[in-house]
Amino acid sequence: EVVLTQSPATLSVSPGERATLSCRANQSVSIYLAWYQQKPGQAPRLLIYGTFTRATGIPARFSGSQSGTEFTLTISGLQSDDFAVYYCQQYYSWPRTFGEGTKVEVK
Amino acid sequence: QEQLVQSGAEVKEPGASVKLSCTASGYTFTSYYIHLIRQAPGRGLEWMGVLHSSGGSTRSAPKFQGRLIITRDTSAGTAYMELRRLTSDDTAIYYCARGNTYMDVWGKGTTITVSS
Repeated sequence: EVVLTQSPATLSVSPGERATLSCRANQSVSIYLAWYQQKPGQAPRLLIYGTFTRATGIPARFSGSQSGTEFTLTISGLQSDDFAVYYCQQYYSWPRTFGEGTKVEVK
Repeated sequence: QEQLVQSGAEVKEPGASVKLSCTASGYTFTSYYIHLIRQAPGRGLEWMGVLHSSGGSTRSAPKFQGRLIITRDTSAGTAYMELRRLTSDDTAIYYCARGNTYMDVWGKGTTITVSS
């Protein structure tokens, strides 16, 4: 089973600043990694798939990158709507697995 | 509009089973897998299993094998997820989500409470 480790657990950022979230896999998942955003009381929403590709309607301030088995979600110029919990998920192998999440909070 | 509509909240006693539904609208049900993901209070997302909507085959995470049954009614565009032998640890919001790879459409969730 692929284990995804997200860091940090909580990230305190001021509006307008950049947030950098990490997701490390314990084995290769190629580029088959997605990021989701979840706000309180809501279902998760797809942000990024295939490591780099933004989902429909996702603004350009969200970007994904990869170095080996370490994946990064960058949010440039944080807006008030971006404070939420973010999860990574791999779809390279079964069972599908999620990271534990990173909460982005207002500093 | 493509969406997944989930059944309503349920309260169950320990040892019972629960069956929830997930109905697709706005797209062809058999074109996409349907996943089941749950989220315990204050916790993260946990993938439980998947239904191949066209062929009907299923996969479950190891911890749910033998306890999770996923079926479908293609004429109704609906997937059914039954979880047996419930314990208090099964108290959670259960989401269904569409996706052959990543999950791009999610239901709003069904709250299952297990309590005596």
